[in-house]
Amino acid sequence: NAGVTQTPKFRILKIGQSMTLQCTQDMNHNYMYWYRQDPGMGLKLIYYSVGAGITDKGEVPNGYNVSRSTTEDFPLRLELAAPSQTSVYFCASSYSEGLRNQPQHFGDGTRLSIL
Amino acid sequence: GESVGLHLPTLSVQEGDNSIINCAYSNSASDYFIWYKQESGKGPQFIIDIRSNMDKRQGQRVTVLLNKTVKHLSLQIAATQPGDSAVYFCAEIETFGNEKLTFGTGTRLTIIP
Repeated sequence: NAGVTQTPKFRILKIGQSMTLQCTQDMNHNYMYWYRQDPGMGLKLIYYSVGAGITDKGEVPNGYNVSRSTTEDFPLRLELAAPSQTSVYFCASSYSEGLRNQPQHFGDGTRLSIL
Repeated sequence: GESVGLHLPTLSVQEGDNSIINCAYSNSASDYFIWYKQESGKGPQFIIDIRSNMDKRQGQRVTVLLNKTVKHLSLQIAATQPGDSAVYFCAEIETFGNEKLTFGTGTRLTIIP
């Protein structure tokens, strides 16, 4: 299993540009998540999905959109990039079913700079 | 709001010694806790987890202790090695609440050769 795969690893955007961060997992996990991590900080949840066709906002969803058309893929879309969105973005997945929560598995991140 | 925090932002330990990383959480309804290790340029890596019906759980060279009375979590790493140098995060989740993982800021552990 490759686990959670994120692409690209690095990207520089100009203010106002748009892009999609890709995330795919091959563990058949039902839950998927997007986080951002600012320097010296913990992870903040942007959006999450409990299954294909279902998405919900996390703590910091403004400026982002997601979709979950398949179990494997959970892309994150930035429509109008702003300098405040400069961060490292992590995708994660887990198998979760009530008390059978399992830990989240993370990708290696996408480092995004908005100039 | 509810938060997960860490007592110490940095910790330096001599190679071979034991290390203890502490974490305070404030959501008394949290029932599942996870420790992650994050190396430079990598995503968080699962180390060990514990559910609220347990006080202690051991893995290979790692032990997690949970004190629900004072809402405190700790990670003990035995016989530290250079490869243990990383940032360690604790995280909590309320299974039948918002079910979202809340992360602490992290503690940077440096192993001194």
